[in-house]
Amino acid sequence: DQQVKQNSPSLSVQEGRISILNCDYTNSMFDYFLWYKKYPAEGPTFLISISSIKDKNEDGRFTVFLNKSAKHLSLHIVPSQPGDSAVYFCAASARETSYDKVIFGPGTSLSVIP
Amino acid sequence: SAVISQKPSRDICQRGTSLTIQCQVDSQVTMMFWYRQQPGQSLTLIATANQGSEATYESGFVIDKFPISRPNLTFSTLTVSNMSPEDSSIYLCSDPGLVDLNEQFFGPGTRLTVL
Repeated sequence: DQQVKQNSPSLSVQEGRISILNCDYTNSMFDYFLWYKKYPAEGPTFLISISSIKDKNEDGRFTVFLNKSAKHLSLHIVPSQPGDSAVYFCAASARETSYDKVIFGPGTSLSVIP
Repeated sequence: SAVISQKPSRDICQRGTSLTIQCQVDSQVTMMFWYRQQPGQSLTLIATANQGSEATYESGFVIDKFPISRPNLTFSTLTVSNMSPEDSSIYLCSDPGLVDLNEQFFGPGTRLTVL
């Protein structure tokens, strides 16, 4: 049973436009959400996070939105740049429980076309 | 941020053999994590390695198949034992972030192919 879902395996966006990557989760105990970015032959790198007490967190070109009632979060990248082409993993954890492990989604491969 | 290196970066192994993957961190960390990413799948936590104690394994993973060593605060090894083609994966180690434990630093991964 996949607790963190990323239903779009891939996404293509023109340079300069907005990229929107979506993520859904099933476990209502999750209270902390993260996005990681992975280039080929490299390990994932942490990008941005959001606590369940917030509905938005912004860091430069990257904004994460959280809709707790819908158990949905999204990562917005604007403007998109060719260097943003990578696999993006959504992840979640339940920090207020005894099981504080990070659960990763399957990833979305983003291609930003120049 | 921590710098993590892994050796080997990739290997092709025969069924029934074992491979030990090394993970080196440039600073002392209490916890280290080992993950597996099977083709087309998400990262799955195998175990948490703490220095001075036995590793804690996640459901579906056992010590006989994935023995882990943690001799000091900067180094860990994961052995994939008695390999089968189903073990073909990328294996990654990571350590918790300084600000938030969930914001982990990952090594570059070891791509394992079992024939």
